[in-house]
Amino acid sequence: AQSVTQPDIHITVSEGASLELRCNYSYGATPYLFWYVQSPGQGLQLLLKYFSGDTLVQGIKGFEAEFKRSQSSFNLRKPSVHWSDAAEYFCAVGEQAGTALIFGKGTTLSVSS
Amino acid sequence: DGGITQSPKYLFRKEGQNVTLSCEQNLNHDAMYWYRQDPGQGLRLIYYSQIVNDFQKGDIAEGYSVSREKKESFPLTVTSAQKNPTAFYLCASSMGQVTGELFFGEGSRLTVL
Repeated sequence: AQSVTQPDIHITVSEGASLELRCNYSYGATPYLFWYVQSPGQGLQLLLKYFSGDTLVQGIKGFEAEFKRSQSSFNLRKPSVHWSDAAEYFCAVGEQAGTALIFGKGTTLSVSS
Repeated sequence: DGGITQSPKYLFRKEGQNVTLSCEQNLNHDAMYWYRQDPGQGLRLIYYSQIVNDFQKGDIAEGYSVSREKKESFPLTVTSAQKNPTAFYLCASSMGQVTGELFFGEGSRLTVL
């Protein structure tokens, strides 16, 4: 069965510092991979997605993620964090056959000044 | 503007009462989904529907029911059989067939007193 692990429950980063949020997945074939962001009490917004092709994916708000098949990872990165990036981040995986996405438990990002 | 509308945003109910959460989309998406979100648990799939008049159970369907009579609408009923219904409920839609990105509504917070 598919699964997604986000090892870090909560991360605090200084404003202007770089960020990396970890995501590991379990799936036999090449999955569809997603990163979403959620502000408190709101729905989820898609940051970026990977289906195939270039393993380095660019998203909105200056985020990028790299798919590493050998490590079953899809880590999210940002070179310089802004205070507005404070939110909860979810990694998700989907099959190519077309079923619902499986989400990780999320990582809460706090940004210190 | 196209999007997903969930209502109500906040709902309070007494224990033992059934409640229905509304989800409407005007994105012309085939597939719709209901997720439940609890703190530290990520998103867990309740039900999903890939086509009108058809739906499938997700991981935590017990105590919930859905219908899909129209493409635009996918209401969720939280029945009295659901043992712990207090949660944040998120509705989403996608193009379906091939798993693509999910578009989310703003969520409905249900509190059972």
